[in-house]
Amino acid sequence: KAGVTQTPRYLIKTRGQQVTLSCSPISGHRSVSWYQQTPGQGLQFLFEYFSETQRNKGNFPGRFSGRQFSNSRSEMNVSTLELGDSALYLCASTSLGLAGTKDTGELFFGEGSRLTVL
Amino acid sequence: GDSVTQMEGPVTLSEEAFLTINCTYTATGYPSLFWYVQYPGEGLQLLLKATKADDKGSNKGFEATYRKETTSFHLEKGSVQVSDSAVYFCALNQAPETSGSRLTFGEGTQLTVNP
Repeated sequence: KAGVTQTPRYLIKTRGQQVTLSCSPISGHRSVSWYQQTPGQGLQFLFEYFSETQRNKGNFPGRFSGRQFSNSRSEMNVSTLELGDSALYLCASTSLGLAGTKDTGELFFGEGSRLTVL
Repeated sequence: GDSVTQMEGPVTLSEEAFLTINCTYTATGYPSLFWYVQYPGEGLQLLLKATKADDKGSNKGFEATYRKETTSFHLEKGSVQVSDSAVYFCALNQAPETSGSRLTFGEGTQLTVNP
């Protein structure tokens, strides 16, 4: 079974640009969530999508947005990039809501997209 | 709100030493508890989990017991190896059926094991 796939793995942008990151969850998983990881702030929750609807949202400015498609693939977008947006962006999927699966809250993570803003 | 506190690192041990990484949490109700590990340049991998009080999660020689009375979920391993060098994160999920897949993470503990 393929794991969570994130693209691109690495990217470099300049301030003011925008970026789109992509995430393909494990087959059958309908919930996708995004986290930002930085040395100073650690792992912070961005948002979660379930069946194409945003269900949870963290404390990030509106420059951070996301969406989920009918095949459960998800994208997140950051507009007007700032230096402080440099981070590892992690996507995770879960079997939450999958019939016959106990919802323990376990997340399966991708390897991340490392964004550098210059 | 929910929070997780981990013992600060970095932690440096010699091979075959005993490992303990402390984790305490603040949450209402009965959250599920997790330990994730992150190797250099990689994403997070689930190491072990426990979903109710007194449950013991175990994997690859690591163990952690869900202690509701002390709100703790300390990670232990009897004999560490160089390959265990990584960052370890304690995390909780308050109520997946209502809060979804939102994990609250601790700060992470860097472990280095020397040969």
